[in-house]
Amino acid sequence: DSGVTQTPKHLITATGQRVTLRCSPRSGDLSVYWYQQSLDQGLQFLIHYYNGEERAKGNILERFSAQQFPDLHSELNLSSLELGDSALYFCASSVTEASYGYTFGSGTRLTVV
Amino acid sequence: ILNVEQSPQSLHVQEGDSTNFTCSFPSSNFYALHWYRWETAKSPEALFVMTLNGDEKKKGRISATLNTKEGYSYLYIKGSQPEDSATYLCASSGSADGLTFGKGTHLIIQP
Repeated sequence: DSGVTQTPKHLITATGQRVTLRCSPRSGDLSVYWYQQSLDQGLQFLIHYYNGEERAKGNILERFSAQQFPDLHSELNLSSLELGDSALYFCASSVTEASYGYTFGSGTRLTVV
Repeated sequence: ILNVEQSPQSLHVQEGDSTNFTCSFPSSNFYALHWYRWETAKSPEALFVMTLNGDEKKKGRISATLNTKEGYSYLYIKGSQPEDSATYLCASSGSADGLTFGKGTHLIIQP
């Protein structure tokens, strides 16, 4: 157990639907990062939150949004889902704002049918 | 946007042999270079974070070097064991942005 908790582990949903992925960072970590891994792609950076504030955005679609709550857990919302959104979504956390090596969760496998 | 390339894509190594693989990254706007080990059905596990040119880090039989001027890093595994089988990911970062990952080197150790 890495200390970073992601739920659910698996999710199957239909096109056009909306889902929420949840991440609880390791105790004491203020930064949360979201990554997407699609078939044959490396891990793609989506978004970074630090202590409740958005810090950086990567290749995140407008249909996707995220937030980090006062208790530091984060949620990634994916809406108007398409088949191509099927992927493994990882959350990672770190103590600092800088990318100084962080701890990954076990991921949420999203399948859009 | 940084482009990180890893080679080879996959590698079969006999148990007991040593091996190494490469990560190349743009040297401009460089902040840190990360190596992760990712076993199937598990989460990526951090191996090393390196920032300085010439950095060399070691963890047991695994070591890594960094050349920021020419934009490459090597990961070495000495005396490969079956438990070393995994995908090894390299990633580069610029300040507070997220990491840019390569597609990984898939290592299979054959008994």
